[in-house]
Amino acid sequence: AAGVIQSPRHLIKEKRETATLKCYPIPRHDTVYWYQQGPGQDPQFLISFYEKMQSDKGSIPDRFSAQQFSDYHSELNMSSLELGDSALYFCASEIWVRHIQYFGAGTRLSVL
Amino acid sequence: AQSVAQPEDQVNVAEGNPLTVKCTYSVSGNPYLFWYVQYPNRGLQFLLKYITGDNLVKGSYGFEAEFNKSQTSFHLKKPSALVSDSALYFCAVRDRKSGAGSYQLTFGKGTKLSVIP
Repeated sequence: AAGVIQSPRHLIKEKRETATLKCYPIPRHDTVYWYQQGPGQDPQFLISFYEKMQSDKGSIPDRFSAQQFSDYHSELNMSSLELGDSALYFCASEIWVRHIQYFGAGTRLSVL
Repeated sequence: AQSVAQPEDQVNVAEGNPLTVKCTYSVSGNPYLFWYVQYPNRGLQFLLKYITGDNLVKGSYGFEAEFNKSQTSFHLKKPSALVSDSALYFCAVRDRKSGAGSYQLTFGKGTKLSVIP
C-alpha cells in the first residue's frame, strides 16, 4: 500500500540558510500535518492543512512557512535556520473522518 | 489544554512475559486516544485507537489497550512480548473538535520498551 513519502530523508544546512522539506501524502487523504521531533523528545505539532487550506497552527516559528499544493503535496519552508532547528520533521496524512494519521519516515535536519 | 503522561521512561520485560506500557490523559470532554510505535530512524507506526465503544481495543501485532474513563488511563498491553517489540512507544490524544480539518495529536514523552531474550 502507498505510504507517506518525505524528501529528502537527510538534510544538512548551515546556520542562517534555508531549507525546504517535501511531503507526499497517501492518495485521497485530505489532511496533512507537520510535526517536529527534537532529540529524545516527543513530536510537536507545527501546522496542518485540510483540502489545501491551512486548518490549524501549533508551535511553528515565524521563520517557518508551509503550504499544500493542488496535487496535495505539501512543503515546509524554513528560513534563517538556527542550531535549535536540528530535529526530525515528520509529515502525516489522514482522511480526517477516519481519525488515523499515517506518518512518513521523516526528514532529519541537521543545522551546523 | 489536552495532555498525555507516560510515567515510565523505560520498561524492561522478559520475552514471553506480558507487557504493559502506561498512559494517562487529560482532556476536556471525551478523548480520542492512540498508540504509536517508533523504531530507530523510522516514522511513527499506528498501533490502535480508541474513539468510542468497547473499552478494550485490539490493534496491530497482538497489542491491545484498555480505556478506563474513571482513571483517565489508556494502558497498552500484550500477553506475550517478543524481542521484536523493542521500540519507543508513544501514547497520544486529540480533542473531539467540531468541523472538518485539523485534529493534531498531542503525544506523551514516550516509553522505551526493551524485551530481553
